[in-house]
Amino acid sequence: GAVVSQHPSRVICKSGTSVKIECRSLDFQATTMFWYRQFPKQSLMLMATSNEGSKATYEQGVEKDKFLINHASLTLSTLTVTSAHPEDSSFYICSAWERPGQGISDTQYFGPGTRLTVL
Amino acid sequence: KQEVTQIPAALSVPEGENLVLNCSFTDSAIYNLQWFRQDPGKGLTSLLLIQSSQREQTSGRLNASLDKSSGRSTLYIAASQPGDSATYLCAVRKRGRRALTFGSGTRLQVQP
Repeated sequence: GAVVSQHPSRVICKSGTSVKIECRSLDFQATTMFWYRQFPKQSLMLMATSNEGSKATYEQGVEKDKFLINHASLTLSTLTVTSAHPEDSSFYICSAWERPGQGISDTQYFGPGTRLTVL
Repeated sequence: KQEVTQIPAALSVPEGENLVLNCSFTDSAIYNLQWFRQDPGKGLTSLLLIQSSQREQTSGRLNASLDKSSGRSTLYIAASQPGDSATYLCAVRKRGRRALTFGSGTRLQVQP
């Protein structure tokens, strides 16, 4: 089946620094990737939709200048948390949607997640 | 705006028991509904996906049903095992949209 990886799996950083999280589709091309955030004991909330070659679309309440998304290729999207603060500590999960015509079912595949802790 | 609710929030059962997890959604104009499993600190494992035209899907001891008109889905787990302990998430994909809307999950604990 389709595999999505995320790197790093866990990161601890100091307040005020920036952190980059990578999401890769390993065996298929993804024209669309999604970034979700999950706070402890809460569900996943969509942050933004990342489209290859164009600007990301952010959900209401998500600061686009704080959460920078770059979908530079059909297999890689990155989320950069700029000037991170303790309240940004969360579990970030990406998912990837396959490029049509690759014979993969019409669904999205999730990465294993990245645990961000901001001290 | 689509809202997805899961009941109960937590459930503890003895091993071997059959159980039902509930999911309800407010907007019936869905494309599909998906059930996921999430282990602590881990990502998501897709369990079952039901298209809007389907009534149910089965995989092993799992059976998911969908009643789109009433905005409900149930996940039935037969003969529960300690290894089934996890959080189960229901997610809905709205027509014309690719992103999923998730419920808050049911934390299941199966006691040996």
